[in-house]
Amino acid sequence: GQQVMQIPQYQHVQEGEDFTTYCNSSTTLSNIQWYKQRPGGHPVFLIQLVKSGEVKKQKRLTFQFGEAKKNSSLHITATQTTDVGTYFCAGRYNAGNNRKLIWGLGTSLAVNP
Amino acid sequence: DAGVIQSPRHEVTEMGQEVTLRCKPISGHNSLFWYRQTMMRGLELLIYFNNNVPIDDSGMPEDRFSAKMPNASFSTLKIQPSEPRDSAVYFCASSPYNEQFFGPGTRLTVL
Repeated sequence: GQQVMQIPQYQHVQEGEDFTTYCNSSTTLSNIQWYKQRPGGHPVFLIQLVKSGEVKKQKRLTFQFGEAKKNSSLHITATQTTDVGTYFCAGRYNAGNNRKLIWGLGTSLAVNP
Repeated sequence: DAGVIQSPRHEVTEMGQEVTLRCKPISGHNSLFWYRQTMMRGLELLIYFNNNVPIDDSGMPEDRFSAKMPNASFSTLKIQPSEPRDSAVYFCASSPYNEQFFGPGTRLTVL
């Protein structure tokens, strides 16, 4: 079935270090979205990637979508304590009216000041 | 806009009781999603509606769970009877098309 695998499950870094989380799908995605959930909070949309090989940046965050549209990554440069939270990828299979997202289990990021 | 509104924010109930969770989506959004989040299983989609019509309820655990969307501004998720394994955070999210906007969630504890 449709499944999105996300690694690592946890990551603990020192403030200033970089961080990367990866998502993998066994089948081609229509698009992929990334969300951030702060401890005790709710998921908040970060970005959507649609095109093969797409790269988007938001300040210190860099998002990539693989050429085959089966994998994606989120890279944070020089982490800060405000980056703490769980990062989820969520993939959509089949465009059109399908609104369902298949979610990865998330990567929990802890940042030591 | 106030965002997605969920009530109650916290619910503690005893096994066997009926639980009703409520959601008001963002005005103009035509898709609504109910999720359940636990440490063990992560974020699970229970059901979603397009234009108030249930489209995919394959994630609803069993007959004890039911969801309705009588109009574009209101949805309910009902659990009857509730069981301890239903304890989780339940999120409602609405979407205009792509990105989903989540409510603050209802933390349900079934004793």
